[in-house]
Amino acid sequence: NAGVTQTPKFQVLKTGQSMTLQCAQDMNHEYMSWYRQDPGMGLRLIHYSVGAGITDQGEVPNGYNVSRSTTEDFPLRLLSAAPSQTSVYFCASSYSMGAYGPTGELFFGEGSRLTVL
Amino acid sequence: AQSVTQLGSHVSVSEGALVLLRCNYSSSVPPYLFWYVQYPNQGLQLLLKYTSAATLVKGINGFEAEFKKSETSFHLTKPSAHMSDAAEYFCAVSKRGGAQKLVFGQGTRLTINP
Repeated sequence: NAGVTQTPKFQVLKTGQSMTLQCAQDMNHEYMSWYRQDPGMGLRLIHYSVGAGITDQGEVPNGYNVSRSTTEDFPLRLLSAAPSQTSVYFCASSYSMGAYGPTGELFFGEGSRLTVL
Repeated sequence: AQSVTQLGSHVSVSEGALVLLRCNYSSSVPPYLFWYVQYPNQGLQLLLKYTSAATLVKGINGFEAEFKKSETSFHLTKPSAHMSDAAEYFCAVSKRGGAQKLVFGQGTRLTINP
């Protein structure tokens, strides 16, 4: 059982380049999300999705784009990379309880470490 | 808006000693509260959660936490530390029905001394 799979695990970009971080889950979770982790700042929510075709912004969405065309996949796109986007990125998914929303029990991938030069 | 504050970015205890990691929350509505653990080079995994049932919540690996509304706290404890408990611990809060916007604290790194 793979759970949440993130690729790539490591990436180095130059300022201005674009790239996509991939996230896939095989648990049929409706809710998926992207967080970034920076030292001393915990995890901050970038974007989330409560189902295919539905996305919304989190706390720090600027410079990132997402789409959700299938239940399984939730890619994160960096449009024009900046050094401030150097971080570790985590994708997470959760069961949803219909109108009550996700349970809050997030299942995390192993992370993607991005360095922007 | 919900927020959490974890008191102490680093905590060090001896093997066999009590572990106490502090978390205070701010929420204008009754919250859901969570503790997550992150081992080196891994993603986070859920230790335990409070969702309005019993105020004393038991989790995995012998950890427990008590929800104290009067103190707006949700401290994590374990009676006897083990070397394998060394990790980073995160407290998180969401409003009920709004777990899609889980807000994390800054984390506390726990070191276990032999």
